[in-house]
Amino acid sequence: SAVISQKPSRDICQRGTSLTIQCQVDSQVTMMFWYRQQPGQSLTLIATANQGSEATYESGFVIDKFPISRPNLTFSTLTVSNMSPEDSSIYLCSVDQAERRQYFGPGTRLLVL
Amino acid sequence: GQNIDQPTEMTATEGAIVQINCTYQTSGFNGLFWYQQHAGEAPTFLSYNVLDGLEEKGRFSSFLSRSKGYSYLLLKELQMKDSASYLCAVTGGFKTIFGAGTRLFVKA
Repeated sequence: SAVISQKPSRDICQRGTSLTIQCQVDSQVTMMFWYRQQPGQSLTLIATANQGSEATYESGFVIDKFPISRPNLTFSTLTVSNMSPEDSSIYLCSVDQAERRQYFGPGTRLLVL
Repeated sequence: GQNIDQPTEMTATEGAIVQINCTYQTSGFNGLFWYQQHAGEAPTFLSYNVLDGLEEKGRFSSFLSRSKGYSYLLLKELQMKDSASYLCAVTGGFKTIFGAGTRLFVKA
């Protein structure tokens, strides 16, 4: 199974600023996924990040707000731009392996004041 | 549209058996997954069903009926450490859609 790390593990940010979250995988993977999990709720897919092409965003999420980079097969970043308190959430990256089972990073806990 | 329904909360007693149901309506189907998520942690994979029937893995079993859009997760010999959220998820194409999760409380 893939081992995934995320940085930062948590942060407290001011309204209007941006935060970039890094996701590192210990093996090469084709697709990486970014999810958001708001307090007490389940996971919502933000976008799918493929190496060498633009990320594919889900309904309700746009590139200007959540720009994503995927420079190689083991790394991706998600930026939360122009943050507001509504962006307070846990952000998780994941990869899928055999049979599309997902392996998740430990998550980044973001609080926007 | 796409929809996954599961109960919000359940309570069970240590040593007992509990069944968590999940119904789904999705535009595609490549498999159904159950994940466990302890508070403050990331979800971890529990089980996978792609064909109808029961898959057993130790104390956990998962059942799937594709014609009914229905699955359940069965937990036997409950332990206190099983207190967690259990997420039902369906994969169609390259995407995985998650249900809202069922919070299971195991009491002594």
